[in-house]
Amino acid sequence: GAVVSQHPSRVICKSGTSVKIECRSLDFQATTMFWYRQFPKQSLMLMATSNEGSKATYEQGVEKDKFLINHASLTLSTLTVTSAHPEDSSFYICSARFPLSGGYTFGSGTRLTVV
Amino acid sequence: GENVEQHPSTLSVQEGDSAVIKCTYSDSASNYFPWYKQELGKRPQLIIDIRSNVGEKKDQRIAVTLNKTAKHFSLHITETQPEDSAVYFCASVASGYSTLTFGKGTMLLVSP
Repeated sequence: GAVVSQHPSRVICKSGTSVKIECRSLDFQATTMFWYRQFPKQSLMLMATSNEGSKATYEQGVEKDKFLINHASLTLSTLTVTSAHPEDSSFYICSARFPLSGGYTFGSGTRLTVV
Repeated sequence: GENVEQHPSTLSVQEGDSAVIKCTYSDSASNYFPWYKQELGKRPQLIIDIRSNVGEKKDQRIAVTLNKTAKHFSLHITETQPEDSAVYFCASVASGYSTLTFGKGTMLLVSP
């Protein structure tokens, strides 16, 4: 079935540095990818919708200059957390919609810890 | 925008009992309702889904019912097992859109 590969699975970084998270669709073309953030014991909150070849659409309250999204190809979307702070520590998950069935597949998630 | 409410937030059952989780949605244009199981630190896994042209769907011990008039849908797990313990999320997608809106989740604990 359709698979989305997400890397890295875990990352620890220092405050003020930037971290890039990659999501690749392995066996299908994902014109749209979604980026979620999940804090402990909470639900998945949509951060932005990433469209291949165009600017991402950010949800209200999500800083687009802090969370840079690039979707330069049909198989790769990246999320860069810039100038990370401890409050950015969270579980970040990407998702893509199946082109035929309309269902959704998720990446394995990235546990970001900012120290 | 769409709003999805999910209840209960926690549910404890004995092994072999049934578990029911309920969700309501606000957008009458919603037409796709998946349920996900998420274990700690892992990705959500689709366990069952239903579209608005169907009232009920079953897959072995798992079933989902949809009431479009009342705008609610429910997950039913029968003969629960300890490995069913996880957090379950309902979600919805509105026709013409592609974004999933999630409920807040239900932590299900099945005791042996």
